[in-house]
Amino acid sequence: LAKTTQPISMDSYEGQEVNITCSHNNIATNDYITWYQQFPSQGPRFIIQGYKTKVTNEVASLFIPADRKSSTLSLPRVSLSDTAVYYCLGANAGNMLTFGGGTRLMVKP
Amino acid sequence: NAGVTQTPKFQVLKTGQSMTLQCAQDMNHEYMSWYRQDPGMGLRLIHYSVGAGITDQGEVPNGYNVSRSTTEDFPLRLLSAAPSQTSVYFCASSIIAGGQETQYFGPGTRLLVL
Repeated sequence: LAKTTQPISMDSYEGQEVNITCSHNNIATNDYITWYQQFPSQGPRFIIQGYKTKVTNEVASLFIPADRKSSTLSLPRVSLSDTAVYYCLGANAGNMLTFGGGTRLMVKP
Repeated sequence: NAGVTQTPKFQVLKTGQSMTLQCAQDMNHEYMSWYRQDPGMGLRLIHYSVGAGITDQGEVPNGYNVSRSTTEDFPLRLLSAAPSQTSVYFCASSIIAGGQETQYFGPGTRLLVL
């Protein structure tokens, strides 16, 4: 299991782009990098997943450099409703997932 | 699809009582997991199952039992509740495709042990 390190918290303002970086120095060859979002009193929700380079969906983009020792979740033009905790995980499919403390994003008006 | 459902939503127990937290999914996922989340913390894996009849321990299994008699259901049993088990419990089911795994979480059960 890849041990991940993320900032504990981040602040942003509505309309800005937010980039959350996750460090995973011991990521294994078969591990994918996955990001989840969690709102208060709800279960985590899958956002995006990737192995290398760049992945984009309707919610976010995920940038993974060639050495795969880090990844960056990019949220374009955040709104107040993007205030949540964001978790970065590195694991191979079918293995136990370990959630760290996550990054608490606060979007201000 | 209802996705992942959990019952009850909230429960109060006295120390020493037992109870079962129910989890069901209608997506025909083979993998299911139970996590607990303490205030201000990330999720910690309690038990998981890779298919009907197969279960294994996660990071914090002590005080909890699980069984998986069907693909759909994955109940979590607290044998003798302790105040340290006060937490929010999340059940999840997973789909694996092309080597990638995506977990779908239920709404959670808030448990208070007095």
